[in-house]
Amino acid sequence: DARVTQTPRHKVTEMGQEVTMRCQPILGHNTVFWYRQTMMQGLELLAYFRNRAPLDDSGMPKDRFSAEMPDATLATLKIQPSEPRDSAVYFCASGLSSRGGGNQPQHFGDGTRLSIL
Amino acid sequence: KQEVTQIPAALSVPEGENLVLNCSFTDSAIYNLQWFRQDPGKGLTSLLLIQSSQREQTSGRLNASLDKSSGRSTLYIAASQPGDSATYLCAVRPMLDNYGQNFVFGPGTRLSVLP
Repeated sequence: DARVTQTPRHKVTEMGQEVTMRCQPILGHNTVFWYRQTMMQGLELLAYFRNRAPLDDSGMPKDRFSAEMPDATLATLKIQPSEPRDSAVYFCASGLSSRGGGNQPQHFGDGTRLSIL
Repeated sequence: KQEVTQIPAALSVPEGENLVLNCSFTDSAIYNLQWFRQDPGKGLTSLLLIQSSQREQTSGRLNASLDKSSGRSTLYIAASQPGDSATYLCAVRPMLDNYGQNFVFGPGTRLSVLP
């Protein structure tokens, strides 16, 4: 079964450090999403890409977060500098979207559990 | 701004019961609504996706309905099993553009099915 792969699965680091999370979307999918999940806020969309171009990153704190897709097989989410309030599970999802549709379900990775001390 | 709520927040039932999970959304201008399942420590697994023009979708013991005008969806699980224990989330896709799949998620219902 094709699946979205996220690395690392767990990350513990001290505040102020740079954190990079990686995602390999399902081959052939043209949309990639980054979500953050916390007990208090639930699941929040941080950014999404279509055909590697960023379409919406309004949910992302711009001063410290950045999301990129260097190529179609890799999406990255970086936090620099990290803060304790960034502690959460970060999910990547991919899907297949077409004009007038976008009706294919999103496929989620297992997430990166991030703890900032 | 689209907001999604789910009731109840948690539910515990004995095995074999039929049950209903509820999802409400504030803006009826949606492309579709999707139900997901999340197991502890895992990502979300898509269960059912209902287009805005549809009233319901079925997959095995699961049936999801959509009443767009009233901003409601229900997920019906028949003959529940312990393996159904998980958190169930609904998500709506607002009508932003023709491409985006950026869903707005509800907080989820945590289901426990007791053997």
